[in-house]
Amino acid sequence: DTEVTQTPKHLVMGMTNKKSLKCEQHMGHRAMYWYKQKAKKPPELMFVYSYEKLSINESVPSRFSPECPNSSLLNLHLHALQPEDSALYLCASSQVGLGADTQYFGPGTRLTVL
Amino acid sequence: KNEVEQSPQNLTAQEGEFITINCSYSVGISALHWLQQHPGGGIVSLFMLSSGKKKHGRLIATINIQEKHSSLHITASHPRDSAVYICAVGSSGSARQLTFGSGTQLTVLP
Repeated sequence: DTEVTQTPKHLVMGMTNKKSLKCEQHMGHRAMYWYKQKAKKPPELMFVYSYEKLSINESVPSRFSPECPNSSLLNLHLHALQPEDSALYLCASSQVGLGADTQYFGPGTRLTVL
Repeated sequence: KNEVEQSPQNLTAQEGEFITINCSYSVGISALHWLQQHPGGGIVSLFMLSSGKKKHGRLIATINIQEKHSSLHITASHPRDSAVYICAVGSSGSARQLTFGSGTQLTVLP
């Protein structure tokens, strides 16, 4: 199984809502990533978890809160988002999180903030 | 100057043409990745290279470490190859990050 799944596929939320994005992989990977991608731009790294510990936070605003409950699951909790946060949110995983690892990407969650 | 430069930004080809997308980088790398992103979002890893050349079906990727340059070739292009192709490098100085190029939008016309 080389699949990374993400739910939901689409999410529309208001600026006062609280929602969560979910990512799951069963490849035994120990590194998991959240990326944000705006239209016609490459993905921007947000967070990296390595062995269930947050190892990289790319100065992401606190209205985005990641969580890694176990080695297969990665959540992104959203609260008080702004319209400019509307984007495609991609999850990825890799074996141990080195630059030479192949990252496997999920299909993404397309988020619209009204 | 971006650490990873791709060219061209946009490419339109007729079905059957041979296509080349280029990637240059300025940092020391542990590996270079070619990724494909179709409309709708999902990203697929096509190749990971640290030296030489790899081939998968109609796709060929090469890397020249001395010149810090990689190319992705598509032979006998087909409309289903239409996608954004992204070059990304895993730098040798940074354990867990990929640095992405800006992507090449490829359109193959029937």
